[in-house]
Amino acid sequence: AQSVAQPEDQVNVAEGNPLTVKCTYSVSGNPYLFWYVQYPNRGLQFLLKYITGDNLVKGSYGFEAEFNKSQTSFHLKKPSALVSDSALYFCAVGAKAAGNKLTFGGGTRVLVKP
Amino acid sequence: DTAVSQTPKYLVTQMGNDKSIKCEQNLGHDTMYWYKQDSKKFLKIMFSYNNKELIINETVPNRFSPKSPDKAHLNLHINSLELGDSAVYFCASTPSGGPQETQYFGPGTRLLVL
Repeated sequence: AQSVAQPEDQVNVAEGNPLTVKCTYSVSGNPYLFWYVQYPNRGLQFLLKYITGDNLVKGSYGFEAEFNKSQTSFHLKKPSALVSDSALYFCAVGAKAAGNKLTFGGGTRVLVKP
Repeated sequence: DTAVSQTPKYLVTQMGNDKSIKCEQNLGHDTMYWYKQDSKKFLKIMFSYNNKELIINETVPNRFSPKSPDKAHLNLHINSLELGDSAVYFCASTPSGGPQETQYFGPGTRLLVL
């Protein structure tokens, strides 16, 4: 069975500082990895994904993530956080071995303080 | 134009009632999903349909019955509502259901069972 762990319930960062949201996964076969963001009372919005190729993936709003196969990680990063980045972030994993199912982590709340 | 829409946005009802939530996507996708997000923000898949055919049916009580009249619509009917059904229900869609595809989420339906 595939699984995703987001070890931090909340990440606090000052505006302008680097932001990192951690994600590790477990899956059979090659993983497909995703980051989604959820703003209050809204649906999930796609940020970026890793399918194959370059381990460093760039996405929306200046976010990027690095796929690390040996550490089974896919941490989300942003060089300079904005107050508007405050939201709930979800990491998710899919794999052909698991069919069409996408498994989500528990979410990490990001709070960017001015 | 809204890509994935859900109605109603809010639903407050009494225990024991029967209610339906509707979802429509105008992206031309073949696959649609229902997710449940509980009070701790944990997101879990419930059902998935591909071109009106059920392909994922997680361990969901029989009181939940999805119906797909066509590939652009996926409705969720809930019988005999219980307090534990209170949650946010999200609809999503993908082009053909592959695990590498980006999921497009609706805005959610907030269900409160009293």
